[in-house]
Amino acid sequence: AQTVTQSQPEMSVQEAETVTLSCTYDTSENNYYLFWYKQPPSRQMILVIRQEAYKQQNATENRFSVNFQKAAKSFSLKISDSQLGDTAMYFCAFMNPTGAQGAQKLVFGQGTRLTINP
Amino acid sequence: DAMVIQNPRYQVTQFGKPVTLSCSQTLNHNVMYWYQQKSSQAPKLLFHYYDKDFNNEADTPDNFQSRRPNTSFCFLDIRSPGLGDAAMYLCATSRGRALGPYEQYFGPGTRLTVT
Repeated sequence: AQTVTQSQPEMSVQEAETVTLSCTYDTSENNYYLFWYKQPPSRQMILVIRQEAYKQQNATENRFSVNFQKAAKSFSLKISDSQLGDTAMYFCAFMNPTGAQGAQKLVFGQGTRLTINP
Repeated sequence: DAMVIQNPRYQVTQFGKPVTLSCSQTLNHNVMYWYQQKSSQAPKLLFHYYDKDFNNEADTPDNFQSRRPNTSFCFLDIRSPGLGDAAMYLCATSRGRALGPYEQYFGPGTRLTVT
């Protein structure tokens, strides 16, 4: 079974700084997807960034980028020029697209609570 | 905008009194999921529907049931809520296998309080 580990329960940085959230996973699959989801306090969970395992190029979405190391099974999220609105719980998630019953179940890490301080 | 909607946003029920939470989607996705999320924890998948096919997680208590009368709507029924069932319940959707790009879209959640 796949597992996802986020080793940083909480992080705190100053506004405008760069912060990196760590995520490691364990799988025997070769084709899979990795995601970072953001859940702000009392607000809904939204997708931040997606990485396909077969793509060597690291995904980037504006201020958010990942460092995907397939051999090391590592998938860290870098937030550049952090903003107050980035304060949230961040979940790393793994998905095997060939899952049974046609659904693509997410395996979540434990989450990292990120606080951006003014 | 296409979205996932959950009603109500806050629900208070009494110990042992059945409660139903609802989810609707305008994304026309094949798959709908129900998660339970307790404070500062990751969401825990309870079950999902692929179209009309229901798939229960092995460790989901029998107290939790679900219905999907059509593509757009899905309901979570808690037959006899206990204090341990107080949590945020998240509904999510995805397009389904082979259709990609696979990410799940989440609703805002319903926070259930059991008194």
